[in-house]
Amino acid sequence: GAVVSQHPSWVICKSGTSVKIECRSLDFQATTMFWYRQFPKQSLMLMATSNEGSKATYEQGVEKDKFLINHASLTLSTLTVTSAHPEDSSFYICSARDILVTSGSLNTGELFFGEGSRLTVL
Amino acid sequence: AQKVTQAQTEISVVEKEDVTLDCVYETRDTTYYLFWYKQPPSGELVFLIRRNSFDEQNEISGRYSWNFQKSTSSFNFTITASQVVDSAVYFCALSEVIYNQGGKLIFGQGTELSVKP
Repeated sequence: GAVVSQHPSWVICKSGTSVKIECRSLDFQATTMFWYRQFPKQSLMLMATSNEGSKATYEQGVEKDKFLINHASLTLSTLTVTSAHPEDSSFYICSARDILVTSGSLNTGELFFGEGSRLTVL
Repeated sequence: AQKVTQAQTEISVVEKEDVTLDCVYETRDTTYYLFWYKQPPSGELVFLIRRNSFDEQNEISGRYSWNFQKSTSSFNFTITASQVVDSAVYFCALSEVIYNQGGKLIFGQGTELSVKP
């Protein structure tokens, strides 16, 4: 089945540094990917919708200058946490949908999630 | 606005007991998708089921079954004869109408299921 891979799985960084997380669709193309954040013992909250070749759409309350999203190709989206601080420590998960599976205008393709990336900012 | 509510934060059962996880949703859309995911301690999301709003048939997959009641906006999940390996956090989620490549998910708060031997 289709696989979405995230890298790195774990990252520890010092406060003030920037961290880049990659989300790749391994055997399918995705013009749209989604980035979620999950704090411990909490639900997944959508941060932004990543669109290939255009600017990401951020959810209310998410700082676009802090969480930079780049979707440069149909198989890769990156999330960069700039000037990370301890409060940014979280589990970041991406998802992607296969663009090839469509039924008319309604995309019935499966939605696949990456394994997640756990960020710890010291 | 769309919303998913999982009122049960934590459930603890003894192995072989049946357990039902509740999910209630709100949406103004007439067409939507509902999902259940399992999140074990390792963190990855394991897809369990997707149901579109036009299909109210209940579904059974092994020990898992789902009851979709559009009249009460509920999509409950039952595990029969629970096992220790079922211990995880379970999320119910709602997706807007999916056109082209869209379809962001709205997740419930999650229910942490603990199955004790």
